[in-house]
Amino acid sequence: GENVEQHPSTLSVQEGDSAVIKCTYSDSASNYFPWYKQELGKRPQLIIDIRSNVGEKKDQRIAVTLNKTAKHFSLHITETQPEDSAVYFCAAIIQGAQKLVFGQGTRLTINP
Amino acid sequence: DVKVTQSSRYLVKRTGEKVFLECVQDMDHENMFWYRQDPGLGLRLIYFSYDVKMKEKGDIPEGYSVSREKKERFSLILESASTNQTSMYLCASSSHGTSYEQYFGPGTRLTVT
Repeated sequence: GENVEQHPSTLSVQEGDSAVIKCTYSDSASNYFPWYKQELGKRPQLIIDIRSNVGEKKDQRIAVTLNKTAKHFSLHITETQPEDSAVYFCAAIIQGAQKLVFGQGTRLTINP
Repeated sequence: DVKVTQSSRYLVKRTGEKVFLECVQDMDHENMFWYRQDPGLGLRLIYFSYDVKMKEKGDIPEGYSVSREKKERFSLILESASTNQTSMYLCASSSHGTSYEQYFGPGTRLTVT
């Protein structure tokens, strides 16, 4: 089955700097890659996703890139702000399946 | 707005007790999921259901069972709670097809003493 590895497990950056979180997946049949953000004490929520027919997607300060050949995808956050502090989860899903496989999570801390 | 609710935010149970965690969604979603969240281990799938009365084991089903008698409701059952089941439990739902987005409930923090 699919396996998703996420790095780093913790990340600390200065406010205003960029943050990058990387994930690798094992099954080349995976075709959908979402990112979820979980703020402290709250539920995970989808912030951005990408499908396998697209190499990059942007939404204001966040972007996701996908390299199908290498089987990895990354979340990029630019001009980080204190409200970006949270745990971020990547995930992948195999075409035709209904369940996501999540990475282990990255705790991002933005230092003022 | 999609709404997923869970029966309790915090629960304290004794070892050996039978525990019921309930999840309700109001968006007519076909798929429902139960995850366990532990630090450093991410979101691990316990069971999921893609239709009423249908269920499939996830990655860590041992010690758990589920019930889905109605489309909007998905219950997680700990037959005999143990201390290693102390954790945060998250329910989620999604629709069939290619949307794939999962909507999560607020979570239940279960402590087994």
